Amino acid sequence: RKEVEQDPGPFNVPEGATVAFNCTYSNSASQSFFWYRQDCRKEPKLLMSVYSSGNEDGRFTAQLNRASQYISLLIRDSKLSDSATYLCVVHTGGFKTIFGAGTRLFVKA
Amino acid sequence: DAGVIQSPRHEVTEMGQEVTLRCKPISGHNSLFWYRQTMMRGLELLIYFNNNVPIDDSGMPEDRFSAKMPNASFSTLKIQPSEPRDSAVYFCASSLRTGSLGYTFGSGTRLTVV
Repeated sequence: RKEVEQDPGPFNVPEGATVAFNCTYSNSASQSFFWYRQDCRKEPKLLMSVYSSGNEDGRFTAQLNRASQYISLLIRDSKLSDSATYLCVVHTGGFKTIFGAGTRLFVKA
Repeated sequence: DAGVIQSPRHEVTEMGQEVTLRCKPISGHNSLFWYRQTMMRGLELLIYFNNNVPIDDSGMPEDRFSAKMPNASFSTLKIQPSEPRDSAVYFCASSLRTGSLGYTFGSGTRLTVV
């Protein structure tokens, strides 16, 4: 079992749609959680941290469920510019950070 | 803040040649990470440094790979000799406090070994 698992997609959605991604992690001692965005042929960029209380940044909402060991990302009112690969990232402590393989999103006009 | 700076952006080399990739982390960041990304294997951690000291190099694929961090503002990843299967995008990332606050990646070096 992979330490961090994501549905690779692709998710194909029309503009304006709401889309949600989930990610599961295996290490119950994991401490910090993030979503990164990676555009084609670019570097990964930190999108947002994920907290147990849930957090929101504009159209993006992230949730952490420690009991079930999963995190989620919700994108509302999808834009063409949201098309990218979204990486789930788990920091397990010390220097160990695990990147998921990513979920590809295509937003169509 | 200029971010993490990597050079070169692109490198094409012949099999057997030595390749050196360079990275300048964000000033004040005390952790530095080298990653490799391919379509087949995704992002793979090669090695990381804390306060210029290599902490874990278990991700380095072979002895042909070596990395150094002579000071807080510079790191190199060297491949000698290079092979076609080393073709990938190599990212350098830096962070505060071991990565628990997230990383900042450089724009990467796209390496092609022919």
